[in-house]
Amino acid sequence: DAGVIQSPRHEVTEMGQEVTLRCKPISGHDYLFWYRQTMMRGLELLIYFNNNVPIDDSGMPEDRFSAKMPNASFSTLKIQPSEPRDSAVYFCASGRGYEQYFGPGTRLTVT
Amino acid sequence: TQLLEQSPQFLSIQEGENLTVYCNSSSVFSSLQWYRQEPGEGPVLLVTVVTGGEVKKLKRLTFQFGDARKDSSLHITAAQPGDTGLYLCAGARGNTDKLIFGTGTRLQVFP
Repeated sequence: DAGVIQSPRHEVTEMGQEVTLRCKPISGHDYLFWYRQTMMRGLELLIYFNNNVPIDDSGMPEDRFSAKMPNASFSTLKIQPSEPRDSAVYFCASGRGYEQYFGPGTRLTVT
Repeated sequence: TQLLEQSPQFLSIQEGENLTVYCNSSSVFSSLQWYRQEPGEGPVLLVTVVTGGEVKKLKRLTFQFGDARKDSSLHITAAQPGDTGLYLCAGARGNTDKLIFGTGTRLQVFP
């Protein structure tokens, strides 16, 4: 069974551009989480969904960030417009209950 | 405010040595997990502990959940270079489904 799939693995963009990160969770998992990891702040939860419904988006930094889960097998995290301080590794994780399985991450660099 | 503090932050040891990583909080957690993350990859779940005082063993790794469910430790016996990575504890509180991740311990085991 395939794990959590994220794309792209690396993204380099210029400040002000729109960035879309994609995630395919493990089939059968009803929770999906988006995290951001930096050296300074560690691993931070941005938003999570249960059965495709956003449950808690209190970790989303500001209105420039948005996330959707149109169906059980796909989710996106969008940043518009992007800023250099958004540079980080973004992880998607899926799970059932409290155990989470992480994807390989998307390394985002905003210049 | 970081709810889960890990110590030490960095640890460099020789192959064959023993080590202990600590995860401390002033808050009570309903469950606690340990993850290991290797460079360029997402965190991988090692273990989940749910009962105060619980001890779980995974080969050379021993995990303990504090009696008051506020702290945890990870002990590695006879460390090997393959144990190198970032170790993260993560706690769940109450009925919420989201995890709070610790500050992380970066372990380097030299051959």
